Amino acid sequence: QKEVEQNSGPLSVPEGAIASLNCTYSDRGSQSFFWYRQYSGKSPELIMFIYSNGDKEDGRFTAQLNKASQYVSLLIRDSQPSDSATYLCAVKPPGGGNKLTFGTGTQLKVEL
Amino acid sequence: DTAVSQTPKYLVTQMGNDKSIKCEQNLGHDTMYWYKQDSKKFLKIMFSYNNKELIINETVPNRFSPKSPDKAHLNLHINSLELGDSAVYFCASSPGKRGTVAQYFGPGTRLLVL
Repeated sequence: QKEVEQNSGPLSVPEGAIASLNCTYSDRGSQSFFWYRQYSGKSPELIMFIYSNGDKEDGRFTAQLNKASQYVSLLIRDSQPSDSATYLCAVKPPGGGNKLTFGTGTQLKVEL
Repeated sequence: DTAVSQTPKYLVTQMGNDKSIKCEQNLGHDTMYWYKQDSKKFLKIMFSYNNKELIINETVPNRFSPKSPDKAHLNLHINSLELGDSAVYFCASSPGKRGTVAQYFGPGTRLLVL
């Protein structure tokens, strides 16, 4: 079982719709969860992080964390073509240091 | 501009050569990282330094040697380059080694070994 799993996609949504990206993780003791956006040929860019169960909203983005079920999701409201990118889920496992384990990413395509 | 910067941006070299990649951050962060992103876009940590001290050393061939002259700089030297080393190498930094802190990435160095 991979430590952090994401559906590779592509996930296609029409412009203006809600895009829902999901991520599951294997280590129940994981502490912090991050969503990064990566455009083709560019570096990962931090969108949001979440530490506690529940929802966290930032503009059009909402991160949702359910530690009991070991999943974290990212909702993008009013999706725009500029949201088309690969979204990487990253998890900080328990232990020292600040190691992040990344999923392989979900490619999102927002269509006109 | 406050950022994480890397040089060079592109690196094309022959098998067996030795090369270095440099990273600098002016964000005032204490911790820096090297990641490798392969052709399948999988991003995997290689090393991490906190204030010049090595704190993460993943299973990486010993041909790869990081060096941190100060907390704002982290370099990566690669000896005897192999075809499989072709990838994008990202440097990142974060405010500290403990706690739930986010990492910020540099633009990447695209290495192609021929």
